Amino acid sequence: DIQMTQSPSTLSASVGDRVTITCRASQSISIWLAWYRQKPGKAPELLIYQASALQGGVPSRFSGSGSGTEFTLTISSLQPDDFATYYCQHYHSSPYTFGRGTNLEIK
Amino acid sequence: QITLKESGPTLVKPTQTLTLTCTFSGFSLSTSGVGVGWIRQPPGKALEWLALIYWDDDKRYSPSLKSRLTITKDTSKNQVVLTMTNMDPVDTATYYCAHRVTTGGFDCWGQGTLVTVSS
Repeated sequence: DIQMTQSPSTLSASVGDRVTITCRASQSISIWLAWYRQKPGKAPELLIYQASALQGGVPSRFSGSGSGTEFTLTISSLQPDDFATYYCQHYHSSPYTFGRGTNLEIK
Repeated sequence: QITLKESGPTLVKPTQTLTLTCTFSGFSLSTSGVGVGWIRQPPGKALEWLALIYWDDDKRYSPSLKSRLTITKDTSKNQVVLTMTNMDPVDTATYYCAHRVTTGGFDCWGQGTLVTVSS
């Protein structure tokens, strides 16, 4: 099974900051990676698919990059709505595991 | 517009079998490339992928839970059913169903249903 390791587990930042979250796969997954944002008490929302493609309706301040085993999610200018938990998920081969999440909190 | 909604018991006893139904609209599970998955999240913890069923009835399961899970679809009713046997308190979680797009990832999710396992 492919393991997904996210870092950091917690990130403190301020509105307007640029932040980056990293996700590493235990083996190559090509570009088969998605990123989600989950606000408290809500279902996750798809932000990025195929490592770098922006899901429709998602603000352009979100961007994804990477291929193979290392991936990043960047938020260019944090907005109040972005303080949430972020997850990566691979879909290279079953089981389609999620990372353990990054809690983005207000500094 | 795609919508999904989970339904089932909110409380089950240890050793019982859980049956959850995902009722969806806005897409057909007979369309090539489409899938519906189940994901759970224990309180305060991370997301855990459980199972996925594709339009062609291909089924995938989490290896750690495979012996306890069954996923089925009823295309005519626009429903996907997940059963989990031998429930334990550690299975207490919010269970979500979600639509898998052909490009990968789950683009639409149900609101989730909290299932508590307790005697």
